[in-house]
Amino acid sequence: KQEVTQIPAALSVPEGENLVLNCSFTDSAIYNLQWFRQDPGKGLTSLLLIQSSQREQTSGRLNASLDKSSGRSTLYIAASQPGDSATYLCAVRRAGGGNKLTFGTGTQLKVEL
Amino acid sequence: NAGVTQTPKFRVLKTGQSMTLLCAQDMNHEYMYWYRQDPGMGLRLIHYSVGEGTTAKGEVPDGYNVSRLKKQNFLLGLESAAPSQTSVYFCASSSTDRTLGETQYFGPGTRLLVL
Repeated sequence: KQEVTQIPAALSVPEGENLVLNCSFTDSAIYNLQWFRQDPGKGLTSLLLIQSSQREQTSGRLNASLDKSSGRSTLYIAASQPGDSATYLCAVRRAGGGNKLTFGTGTQLKVEL
Repeated sequence: NAGVTQTPKFRVLKTGQSMTLLCAQDMNHEYMYWYRQDPGMGLRLIHYSVGEGTTAKGEVPDGYNVSRLKKQNFLLGLESAAPSQTSVYFCASSSTDRTLGETQYFGPGTRLLVL
């Protein structure tokens, strides 16, 4: 059974700092991995999707990497801003059959002025 | 283009009562999903559908039923609510076309409290 772990559970950083969020998964037979953002009381918004054949994806100040063989992904946020404060979730889709995702429990990020 | 919408936003039930949560999407997506989110547990898949008229069980299906009579709608039913079903429920949808992207789009959630 796939298990997805995100460490740390919570993180507080000063504005402007570059930071890395970590995601690890136990079964490397994945189809893709996604990073989502969730604001308090809201639904999830997809940030980046990395296919299993890719090593990284970039969108603006965000860069996600994937090392499938070691079961790890990182989300790099450059020059953090207070508006980046949210919970970040990673989710993996297993290879073969259906777009079913297994989610991590998330990292709650607070960027302080 | 409203994306994924959920009705209601919040509901309080007594143990044993029934209710239906409605999810609607206007993106012509084939796949739809129901998740629940609980503190410390992450999102867990309840049921999903790969097309109109089809449904399948996810990770935590017990106590729930679903129906997909129309492509744009996915209903989640609780026949006899239990306090353990207190949670935030999210609906999501996705395309099957890899060129369009396979990311899942989420609704705003329904908060359910079972007393």
